[in-house]
Amino acid sequence: NAGVIQTPRHKVTGKGQEATLWCEPISGHSAVFWYRQTIVQGLEFLTYFRNQAPIDDSGMPKERFSAQMPNQSHSTLKIQSTQPQDSAVYLCASSLDWGGGQNTLYFGAGTRLSVL
Amino acid sequence: AQKVTQTQTSISVVEKTTVTMDCVYETRDSSYFLFWYKQTASGEIVFLIRQDSYKKENATVGHYSLNFQKPKSSIGLIITATQIEDSAVYFCAMREPYTEGADRLTFGKGTQLIIQP
Repeated sequence: NAGVIQTPRHKVTGKGQEATLWCEPISGHSAVFWYRQTIVQGLEFLTYFRNQAPIDDSGMPKERFSAQMPNQSHSTLKIQSTQPQDSAVYLCASSLDWGGGQNTLYFGAGTRLSVL
Repeated sequence: AQKVTQTQTSISVVEKTTVTMDCVYETRDSSYFLFWYKQTASGEIVFLIRQDSYKKENATVGHYSLNFQKPKSSIGLIITATQIEDSAVYFCAMREPYTEGADRLTFGKGTQLIIQP
């Protein structure tokens, strides 16, 4: 079991550029979550999918952030027109059965985004 | 107000001793889930242990155990026989499946644990 895989591990973008972050959940897991971690805010929820359907995106900054899950094996988080305040570690996590008893989240290693 | 509060920002103990980390939470759900994770120096976030609120017995996994005090909305993590490799940041988290907009993990700010030789 390879765990949750996130690519790239590090990404540097210039202000105003676009950044796309990739996540491959654990095989067979039906729920995928995105979190953001900063020193000041800690671990913040962004959005999640269950069986590829978007369920809750209430944590997503509006207008510039979007997430998709085109198939059960990967999800993407896209940030348009990146700003310095978007600099953070973006974490993807998956759960075998979020609505049931197996609702533990397993995290990937994260993507460190630096916006210059 | 924070829903999950960890008041200890840093704890330092000597190797092989027992340490307790505190966590209090706020919820209106009658049934909820509590978790502890650790984040290593490399940034990896690892699941440690969970407590389902309807279970009266405290969860135990290896040298991790929980002190669940439901009337006090408290879920403490106890690590016995600490080892150097237990040095990490420990996060408490809660899932409220029946509260709209809260069916996710809400994390505390974390407690840094330093194990000294």
